[in-house]
Amino acid sequence: GQSLEQPSEVTAVEGAIVQINCTYQTSGFYGLSWYQQHDGGAPTFLSYNALDGLEETGRFSSFLSRSDSYGYLLLQELQMKDSASYFCAAYTGRRALTFGSGTRLQVQP
Amino acid sequence: DAGVTQSPTHLIKTRGQQVTLRCSPKSGHDTVSWYQQALGQGPQFIFQYYEEEERQRGNFPDRFSGHQFPNYSSELNVNALLLGDSALYLCASTRSRAGGADTQYFGPGTRLTVL
Repeated sequence: GQSLEQPSEVTAVEGAIVQINCTYQTSGFYGLSWYQQHDGGAPTFLSYNALDGLEETGRFSSFLSRSDSYGYLLLQELQMKDSASYFCAAYTGRRALTFGSGTRLQVQP
Repeated sequence: DAGVTQSPTHLIKTRGQQVTLRCSPKSGHDTVSWYQQALGQGPQFIFQYYEEEERQRGNFPDRFSGHQFPNYSSELNVNALLLGDSALYLCASTRSRAGGADTQYFGPGTRLTVL
């Protein structure tokens, strides 16, 4: 089967750095994406790693290690508006995404 | 540039009824995927449509069916509704290309409540 594991909740303070880890077990793997979802909203695409290494987009960075079946999302200079759920999602074929259960990030002042 | 749009935003149905949800993909996108998201869970892949055909399907019963139109918009139909079908239904669009995976962009979703 396909499974992605990520922590259910993370709490951090404004201005801090937080890392959300994701480990996956999939049959077939094309890459790892990260999505942000505010309550009642749509998942918003943050990043995609097809190859090992670090991808940086502004305050957000994402890392992938295929050999360890592991990735993480790094959020720097946390802001209150970053409070949301974050999902890792694996491309288990070119077409379908398999999502983790999500990590609820709470940013405190 | 319009993103992915979905209608309606909310819907209430009773058990046994049928429902149709609609999706218009982002401009320039030709592929539409549908996902079901239960409360507190990650989205689950239902199926994907490309060139008006279903080209991949997740682990959902035949009560879930879809259609894609020549303008790339899509419908999701669910027959014989069950209480467990209550969820947020998300549509995602992408531009299909050779090689690699296609980044998917999501619409705001339709919240379906089955009573």
